[in-house]
Amino acid sequence: QQPVQSPQAVILREGEDAVINCSSSKALYSVHWYRQKHGEAPVFLMILLKGGEQKGHEKISASFNEKKQQSSLYLTASQLSYSGTYFCGTALIQGAQKLVFGQGTRLTINP
Amino acid sequence: DVKVTQSSRYLVKRTGEKVFLECVQDMDHENMFWYRQDPGLGLRLIYFSYDVKMKEKGDIPEGYSVSREKKERFSLILESASTNQTSMYLCASSGGQQNTEAFFGQGTRLTVV
Repeated sequence: QQPVQSPQAVILREGEDAVINCSSSKALYSVHWYRQKHGEAPVFLMILLKGGEQKGHEKISASFNEKKQQSSLYLTASQLSYSGTYFCGTALIQGAQKLVFGQGTRLTINP
Repeated sequence: DVKVTQSSRYLVKRTGEKVFLECVQDMDHENMFWYRQDPGLGLRLIYFSYDVKMKEKGDIPEGYSVSREKKERFSLILESASTNQTSMYLCASSGGQQNTEAFFGQGTRLTVV
C-alpha cells in the first residue's frame, strides 16, 4: 500500500534543480511531503489536496495529478540545507487521515 | 512549541521480552501513528488511531499491538520481542482535519538482542 518514490537517491551540486516523484496504485485524496535530516524527525513541507492547486514553499513546490495518482516535488536552485531524505505520504479517503509513506528519496547537495 | 514526546531515545531488550514504547502529544490531536523506519524501506505504518480506544492496522501490524486509553497517549506494544523488530520507531500525531500536517517525535532506536 506504500506509495512508490523515484528516484531512490540523487546527488546534486548547489544551485541545480531536482524533481522527486511519488506515485500510488490507489486513488488519492491528499499527498503530504516531509523532509528528514540525519538523526532528526521528519518535518512537514506541504500538503496537496484533491482538487487543489500546485503549492509552493520558497524554492520548493509540488504538484498533484489526481488522474494519475502522482505527485512531484520540485526543488529549484538547490541549497546545501536541502540535503536530507524526502518522504511523500498519502491519504486515500476524505475524512480519515491514515497516512502511508513511501520509501524515501535521499537528496545530497554538494558545494 | 508543539511536541510529540517518545519516552526513550534508545532501548535495548532481550528476545522474548514484552516491550512498551510510549508516545505523548500535547496538541489535543485526534490522530496518532506508529511507524517503523528501516533503511531502504522508508516509513512503514504499524498502527493508526483516530480516537481514544479506536485503532486501525497499518501495513505491518504483525507482532505489535497498541493502546490508546487517553487522547494524548499512544502506546506501541511488542508482545514478544524478536531480533527482526530491531529498528527505529517513530510516533506522529495530527489533527482531525484532512489537510493538517503530522508532527513526529524524535524516535526510539530499539535493539533486540
